Amino acid sequence: QLQLQESGPGLVKPSETLSLTCTVSGGSIRSSSYYWAWIRQPPGKGLEWIGSIYYNENTYYNPSLKSRVSMFVETSKNQFSLKLTSVTAADTALYYCARSIASFWFDPWGQGALVTVSS
Amino acid sequence: DIQMTQSPSSVSGSVGDRVTITCRASQGISSWLAWYQQKPGKAPKLLIYAASSLQSGVPSRFSGSGSGTDFTLTISSLQPEDFATYYCQQANNFPRTFGQGTKVEIK
Repeated sequence: QLQLQESGPGLVKPSETLSLTCTVSGGSIRSSSYYWAWIRQPPGKGLEWIGSIYYNENTYYNPSLKSRVSMFVETSKNQFSLKLTSVTAADTALYYCARSIASFWFDPWGQGALVTVSS
Repeated sequence: DIQMTQSPSSVSGSVGDRVTITCRASQGISSWLAWYQQKPGKAPKLLIYAASSLQSGVPSRFSGSGSGTDFTLTISSLQPEDFATYYCQQANNFPRTFGQGTKVEIK
């Protein structure tokens, strides 16, 4: 059964870079037909898609974050990662990684990693 | 971006009730729509994809319908474990966008 697990610092200072890694287990990140995605949810609010990446590093980013976001794949470790630069309090959220079926739907999801932006 | 608008924002129901949630897209998205269930403190779970296809393992009391701009999620007989927040998501265009959520509460 495919499982995803987010990891990374839970506290980031304003103007610094948020970095998260998602480790995939129970399946290969090189599987065809699957993209790998990051989605975030501010406390008590709705869901925002951040971006999706294929194992060959083909990426789609949300234009609202595109200037600050980058995603990478490390196939040897079965991981993919997110970097978000110049963070502000508005970037405080629960960050989920998920498998994206043919880049359309998201299933399954990781349990989420809370990242707080504060000095 | 395609805006997804769900209604109502919350709905109260009793066990056994039929509940319907609506999702409207700001432009036509064919059948490129998914529904998710999120329980407190948990990650969202895919219920329905391609507007009406039931994800494996999801109970058959959940069903989806619609195409173009108007979609519905129906729970035919509400069960205690169904009290949660439900989100729609369009997959017709990038960026992928979600509705604001509908909370299904116990009456």
